Amino acid sequence: DAGVIQSPRHEVTEMGQEVTLRCKPISGHNSLFWYRQTMMRGLELLIYFNNNVPIDDSGMPEDRFSAKMPNASFSTLKIQPSEPRDSAVYFCASSLGDREADTQYFGPGTRLTVL
Amino acid sequence: AQSVTQLGSHVSVSEGALVLLRCNYSSSVPPYLFWYVQYPNQGLQLLLKYTSAATLVKGINGFEAEFKKSETSFHLTKPSAHMSDAAEYFCAVTPSGTYKYIFGTGTRLKVLA
Repeated sequence: DAGVIQSPRHEVTEMGQEVTLRCKPISGHNSLFWYRQTMMRGLELLIYFNNNVPIDDSGMPEDRFSAKMPNASFSTLKIQPSEPRDSAVYFCASSLGDREADTQYFGPGTRLTVL
Repeated sequence: AQSVTQLGSHVSVSEGALVLLRCNYSSSVPPYLFWYVQYPNQGLQLLLKYTSAATLVKGINGFEAEFKKSETSFHLTKPSAHMSDAAEYFCAVTPSGTYKYIFGTGTRLKVLA
């Protein structure tokens, strides 16, 4: 049974470039989360989708960040233009529903380095 | 606002010794509580979760945690540490009525040979 799939696993880019991170949630899961992990700030929730609809994007840092979920099996997180302070590990997670007891299953993450 | 406190950002134990990682939450209503483990260069993996069915929760890899409402705690324990337990451990809470995880700052466990 495949877990959450993220690509690429590593991304190195130069400041000002566009970066697109991809996520395939577990089949049948209705909720999808994007997180960012840094040493300074820990794990931060960026955006939450339920049934492909963005429900809560209050964690998105600024307009340079955008996320889409065109269907139940695919989501993207885009940064344009990228800045060095965006360097972090970005995780995608999915859960069966949106209840407080639902377990979130995390992907392996994308390590982004912006030079 | 809800919060989670993990005491000790780094914990070292000898192989075979008891592992105790502390987690306290702030909530007037018992929340749902989770422990996740993160191995180097990997995502977070669920160890166990408390959903009010039982106060002592058993998880994977020999870990367990006890929910103590009077102490607002959900400490993670393992009787005998193994080298493979070296990782970072996160406590998380979802307050009643919300899907949002509130994560603690994590505790990095080091196991000494």
